[in-house]
Amino acid sequence: AQKVTQAQTEISVVEKEDVTLDCVYETRDTTYYLFWYKQPPSGELVFLIRRNSFDEQNEISGRYSWNFQKSTSSFNFTITASQVVDSAVYFCAHRGGSNYKLTFGKGTLLTVNP
Amino acid sequence: DAEITQSPRHKITETGRQVTLACHQTWNHNNMFWYRQDLGHGLRLIHYSYGVQDTNKGEVSDGYSVSRSNTEDLPLTLESAASSQTSVYFCASSESIGGGYNEQFFGPGTRLTVL
Repeated sequence: AQKVTQAQTEISVVEKEDVTLDCVYETRDTTYYLFWYKQPPSGELVFLIRRNSFDEQNEISGRYSWNFQKSTSSFNFTITASQVVDSAVYFCAHRGGSNYKLTFGKGTLLTVNP
Repeated sequence: DAEITQSPRHKITETGRQVTLACHQTWNHNNMFWYRQDLGHGLRLIHYSYGVQDTNKGEVSDGYSVSRSNTEDLPLTLESAASSQTSVYFCASSESIGGGYNEQFFGPGTRLTVL
């Protein structure tokens, strides 16, 4: 069965600091997909990024970057020069290639203080 | 624009009552899902459907049921509400394209309180 672990329950940083959110997954699937979602204080869940098991290229989107490493079963998320608006709960999720269900980690609450 | 909506957004009910939460999507997605979010547990899958007349149990399905009579809707019913079902409920939908990412898009959530 799949499992997603976000070991950091809460992180607090000061604005402009860089912060990395960790995600480690367990899977028996050879084909699988990984996702990050953001849940701001308003409560909605916003899709951020996706990766498949055949694509280990890191990705950068503005201040956000993602590091996918199959060797360590990790899909970490870095925010560079954090801002107060980045304060949210961030969820990592896994989907096996044989179904459409997502398995979520328990989330990391990021607080960016001014 | 396509969207996924949930109603009501907030609901207070009493123990033992039957409650139905609505979920409607205009993405024309085959897949629909119901999750509950509780502190310390993240999001846990309650039920899901891969198409009309198809329903499946997730990891926390006891006390809940769903039915899928059309593509757009997947109502979630709590047969006899219990205080342990106080939670925030999210509906989601996704495409069903083989080999695709099929990321899920979420509704705004329904906050349910069972007294």
